[in-house]
Amino acid sequence: EAGVVQSPRYKIIEKKQPVAFWCNPISGHNTLYWYLQNLGQGPELLIRYENEEAVDDSQLPKDRFSAERLKGVDSTLKIQPAELGDSAVYLCASSLTRSTEAFFGQGTRLTVV
Amino acid sequence: AQKITQTQPGMFVQEKEAVTLDCTYDTSDPSYGLFWYKQPSSGEMIFLIYQGSYDQQNATEGRYSLNFQKARKSANLVISASQLGDSAMYFCAMRGYNQGGKLIFGQGTELSVKP
Repeated sequence: EAGVVQSPRYKIIEKKQPVAFWCNPISGHNTLYWYLQNLGQGPELLIRYENEEAVDDSQLPKDRFSAERLKGVDSTLKIQPAELGDSAVYLCASSLTRSTEAFFGQGTRLTVV
Repeated sequence: AQKITQTQPGMFVQEKEAVTLDCTYDTSDPSYGLFWYKQPSSGEMIFLIYQGSYDQQNATEGRYSLNFQKARKSANLVISASQLGDSAMYFCAMRGYNQGGKLIFGQGTELSVKP
């Protein structure tokens, strides 16, 4: 069975440009998470979905970040415009429910120059 | 507030020996879960082991075991018979009952296994 799939794996963009990340969770997993991982640190939650509803987006910088999960399956995370400080790894994870273990994708490493 | 503390930035262990990675936590939630993840250089976070706060026995999964001491608020990971492929970053994480599915992670410990 396929795990959580993210694309692209790597992205280099100039500051002020937009960027989007895509995530395909494990089939049947209702809960989807986007995490931000800065270099040398543990991941921090940006947003959590239960099916297509964003139930926790308190840590998402809404002035430049947006996310959606159409039909409760795939999800995209967008940054517009990107800033130098957004350089990090963006991890997507999914779990069967909010109470079960989360499985992570390989992440998208973003570099803003 | 919830917090995970991993005090060992880096650890070395000889191949085939056991190693303990430390994790302490702080939470006001009456019920919570503790997790360990492995992150190799490829970047993926790999789930290793889970311990519920009301579980009576320490969790074990193959070569991984979790030394859970509730009174001390510690959840150390023990890796037995270390292998070269165990070299990676290891993260301790916690999910409180009142936090939905949100995982709080520690800073991580980088484990290097020497041949």
